Amino acid sequence: ILNVEQSPQSLHVQEGDSTNFTCSFPSSNFYALHWYRWETAKSPEALFVMTLNGDEKKKGRISATLNTKEGYSYLYIKGSQPEDSATYLCAFQPPNTNAGKSTFGDGTTLTVKP
Amino acid sequence: ETGVTQSPTHLIKTRGQQVTLRCSSQSGHNTVSWYQQALGQGPQFIFQYYREEENGRGNFPPRFSGLQFPNYSSELNVNALELDDSALYLCASSLGLGDTPLHFGNGTRLTVT
Repeated sequence: ILNVEQSPQSLHVQEGDSTNFTCSFPSSNFYALHWYRWETAKSPEALFVMTLNGDEKKKGRISATLNTKEGYSYLYIKGSQPEDSATYLCAFQPPNTNAGKSTFGDGTTLTVKP
Repeated sequence: ETGVTQSPTHLIKTRGQQVTLRCSSQSGHNTVSWYQQALGQGPQFIFQYYREEENGRGNFPPRFSGLQFPNYSSELNVNALELDDSALYLCASSLGLGDTPLHFGNGTRLTVT
């Protein structure tokens, strides 16, 4: 059983604050790490696919880094806005599989207060 | 481009009954994966279908079964429902290749009483 952990479980910040959260995964047998954003009453939406150690990806105010040797990825949100309120899921994909067989963390729920 | 749609959105069943959930995959996607999400947890992989064949299964009993049709839409069937089956059921379609990300539906909320 693969252990994928996300911390913190929930986070409340004020509009304009920058924030970050963590996804920890097995450092051996790595293929890819996926980040998804899941807004209330919507479907999870893919944010990033990260495959290389040291990868850094960015989409607007959201960025993510990857350290496969120590088994973690950080997601950063700069200048949080209320529309960033969502649950952020990471999913660990081992080799010789596809994304559908990834193991998901339990998510970090972010609430941004205006 | 048509997204992933799931039906019904909500369902209430009694313990011991059977249920069928449906998923239409995104156009061009030949792989559908099903997940169970209990409150406060991440999605748990139930199984995956690729070109109408089961292509991997998670730690779920045989009373969870599925089908994929030639148009790549899919069904999840659960027999002999138990109270613990109450959850959000998500399906996600993809090309089933490498690290291409998943496209999720909105889910079906199943309540077993």
